[in-house]
Amino acid sequence: DIVMTQTPLSSPVTLGQPASISCRSSQSLVHSDGNTYLSWLQQRPGQPPRLLIYKISNRFSGVPDRFSGSGAGTDFTLKISRVEAEDVGVYYCMQATQFPWTFGQGTKVEIK
Amino acid sequence: EVQLVESGGGLVQPGGSLRLSCSASGFTFSSYAMHWVRQAPGKGLEYVSAISSNGGSTYYADSVKGRFTISRDNSKNTLYLQMSSLRAEDTAVYYCVFLGVHWGQGTLVTVSS
Repeated sequence: DIVMTQTPLSSPVTLGQPASISCRSSQSLVHSDGNTYLSWLQQRPGQPPRLLIYKISNRFSGVPDRFSGSGAGTDFTLKISRVEAEDVGVYYCMQATQFPWTFGQGTKVEIK
Repeated sequence: EVQLVESGGGLVQPGGSLRLSCSASGFTFSSYAMHWVRQAPGKGLEYVSAISSNGGSTYYADSVKGRFTISRDNSKNTLYLQMSSLRAEDTAVYYCVFLGVHWGQGTLVTVSS
């Protein structure tokens, strides 16, 4: 199985300041069809996970543009340009390039 | 609008059984694979099981292989997870997931005496 490693595991951020989360995979996430199936999920307290970003950098419907994804191959990044109070929660990277899907450990974003 | 509604969770004793259901709507259920992902209290996400669109192919994580059975009824737009020989470590919220995009609200399974 592909191992997904996130850093940091905790990110205290001041409101209005940027935040960045890294995700590294144990092998390339480039699929044979040419796509890279790397997603970012947000899980607010007491809620199910919610898709933010798919295929590295595509924002899902309704996701604010302060969220952006980048990367390639085995190294990926989620950035929040200006953290708002509603962004508090745990963020997971997830790969669906190779079965089974695997997830990073999660990064907790909290307000300082 | 895609909706996934899980049910069937609850408290069960170790060694017991439980069947989870996921009622799906808003898409052509019979055309897509479906998945179960679980989350133990305070922990991360763990992929549990998957089933192909026609039910002909299934996948199980090693942690549940031989104890859990995934199935579907395309006439009822419903996904199932039959869980047996339950252990304390199976305690988790179980999510029904479509395409990795849409997640249900989850149903809590607690295995305890």
